[in-house]
Amino acid sequence: DIQMTQSPSTLSASVGDRVTITCRASQSISDWLAWYQQKPGKAPRLLIYKASTLEGAVPSRFSGAGSGTDFTLTISSLQPDDFATYYCQQYNTYNTFGQGTKLEIK
Amino acid sequence: EVQLVQSGAEVKKAGESLKISCKGSGYIFTNYWIGWVRQMPGKGLEWMGIIYPGDSDIKYSPSFQGQVTISADKSINTAHLQWSSLKASDTAMYYCGRWGDSSGYADFWGQGTLVTVSS
Repeated sequence: DIQMTQSPSTLSASVGDRVTITCRASQSISDWLAWYQQKPGKAPRLLIYKASTLEGAVPSRFSGAGSGTDFTLTISSLQPDDFATYYCQQYNTYNTFGQGTKLEIK
Repeated sequence: EVQLVQSGAEVKKAGESLKISCKGSGYIFTNYWIGWVRQMPGKGLEWMGIIYPGDSDIKYSPSFQGQVTISADKSINTAHLQWSSLKASDTAMYYCGRWGDSSGYADFWGQGTLVTVSS
């Protein structure tokens, strides 16, 4: 099984900050990685697939990078709507989610 | 407009059976996979398994193999997740999602079905 490890588990930041979340795979997954945003009581929302391709209608302040085992999700200038939990997911072999990163208001 | 609409919340007792559903609309149901994801209270997302309604090809996560059954009825554009004997540890929110491939990402999601199992 491919394991996905996100860091940090919790991130405190302010509106306007630039933040980066990291996701590491236990083996190479090429660029078969997606990122999701989830707000309390809501279903996940796809943000990025194939490591760096933005899903339609996702704001351009979100970006993804990486390949192999190390990946990042960056939000260039945090907006109030961005405070949520973020998950990475590998789909190189079936599907595995990371444990999540909760982005909190500082 | 693509939509996945899940069945309503359920409250059950341990040992009972349960089948929840996910109905797709706004796209060709048999051309996409439907996957199921568990989220236990206060926890992260866990991929359970996936079905291709076109031919009922099913793949389970090893963690859920034998614990649940995934099925689909393409005549009514609906996928199902079922348990034959619920446990208290099955208490969770369950989401269905539309996947382009069995190893892929979910571009649309249902609203979730909360299952509460009392012991």
